[in-house]
Amino acid sequence: GAVVSQHPSWVICKSGTSVKIECRSLDFQATTMFWYRQFPKQSLMLMATSNEGSKATYEQGVEKDKFLINHASLTLSTLTVTSAHPEDSSFYICSARDRGRTATNEKLFFGSGTQLSVL
Amino acid sequence: SQKIEQNSEALNIQEGKTATLTCNYTNYSPAYLQWYRQDPGRGPVFLLLIRENEKEKRKERLKVTFDTTLKQSLFHITASQPADSATYLCALGTGFQKLVFGTGTRLLVSP
Repeated sequence: GAVVSQHPSWVICKSGTSVKIECRSLDFQATTMFWYRQFPKQSLMLMATSNEGSKATYEQGVEKDKFLINHASLTLSTLTVTSAHPEDSSFYICSARDRGRTATNEKLFFGSGTQLSVL
Repeated sequence: SQKIEQNSEALNIQEGKTATLTCNYTNYSPAYLQWYRQDPGRGPVFLLLIRENEKEKRKERLKVTFDTTLKQSLFHITASQPADSATYLCALGTGFQKLVFGTGTRLLVSP
């Protein structure tokens, strides 16, 4: 099956610093990737849709200047949490669809997630 | 308002029994519904997809039903095993791009 690699798997940073999270599709091209955020025992909340070569589409209530998304190639999207604060501590997960598959191409392939802890 | 509801309490069952998880939704008209498995500290893994015109879908020990009148999906794991212990998420697809997830139900299978 398609593989999505997410890095790093965990990061601890000081308040005020920026953190970059990478999401790569290893064996397929992903023109669209999705970034989710998950708090403990809660659902995945879609933050933004990342489109290769164009600006990301952010969900209501998500600050685009706070969560910078760059999708510079067909296999890489990055999420940068700028000037991180303790309330940004969360589990961030990326996902992508394999558009090359004709069957059940609505399903998402997820990265393994990044646990961000801001001190 | 739009809601996707899954049992927030953990479901505890004994090995070998059938686990049944419920996903109810309101004010959505999904074109399809998906079920994912999520282990602690990991991203979800796709299990099954069922479309609005399908009543039932099976894959090995897994079975999903979809009742668009009741606005409900049931997810069954037969002959459950301790390795099936995880959180199971339902997700609604209202268009090609976005999925909306429920909060998930934690399943614990005891030996």
